[in-house]
Amino acid sequence: NAGVTQTPKFRVLKTGQSMTLLCAQDMNHEYMYWYRQDPGMGLRLIHYSVGEGTTAKGEVPDGYNVSRLKKQNFLLGLESAAPSQTSVYFCASRALRTENTEAFFGQGTRLTVV
Amino acid sequence: GENVEQHPSTLSVQEGDSAVIKCTYSDSASNYFPWYKQELGKRPQLIIDIRSNVGEKKDQRIAVTLNKTAKHFSLHITETQPEDSAVYFCAASRAAGNKLTFGGGTRVLVKP
Repeated sequence: NAGVTQTPKFRVLKTGQSMTLLCAQDMNHEYMYWYRQDPGMGLRLIHYSVGEGTTAKGEVPDGYNVSRLKKQNFLLGLESAAPSQTSVYFCASRALRTENTEAFFGQGTRLTVV
Repeated sequence: GENVEQHPSTLSVQEGDSAVIKCTYSDSASNYFPWYKQELGKRPQLIIDIRSNVGEKKDQRIAVTLNKTAKHFSLHITETQPEDSAVYFCAASRAAGNKLTFGGGTRVLVKP
């Protein structure tokens, strides 16, 4: 049981390049999230998904796109990377229950855009 | 949407002393308040959570209190140890809500 796994762990991009971050969870969770973590800014929600085939915008969605074609995977895309997207990206997942449940995080992806 | 404010942003305490972190939230419909701990270079992990039907919850050296009227909640760490050094995040969510909104984080340093 690996939990939540992110790929890659590190990446350096040039301004204007594109890339996709992959998040995979093996806990059969319905909810999945992408957050970015910047110094002093906490964890800010980029996009999230409440189930296969559905996505929604979070607090800071501009410049990012997402897809959830399979329940276990949640992809985050950067079409044209900018230096402002330099950050640590965390994926998380939660189970759907009648009460709130714990969010499990991936190990993070450190992205640098030069 | 929900807004969560967290204070202080940094906290330095002597080993054995207590540490207190406070959070306020804006959405009166929020009823789930977890706390996550993030060690250097690691992922955030849940350490304790509280729901709105209780005012306090304790787990060994950590406790969380909730004041729904004032819309604030706090994390208390007693008898701090060097391994408590980390960044702590509070968060809030509505009932069975699909979004989890985090505060800005508190960097805690426990000095031996």
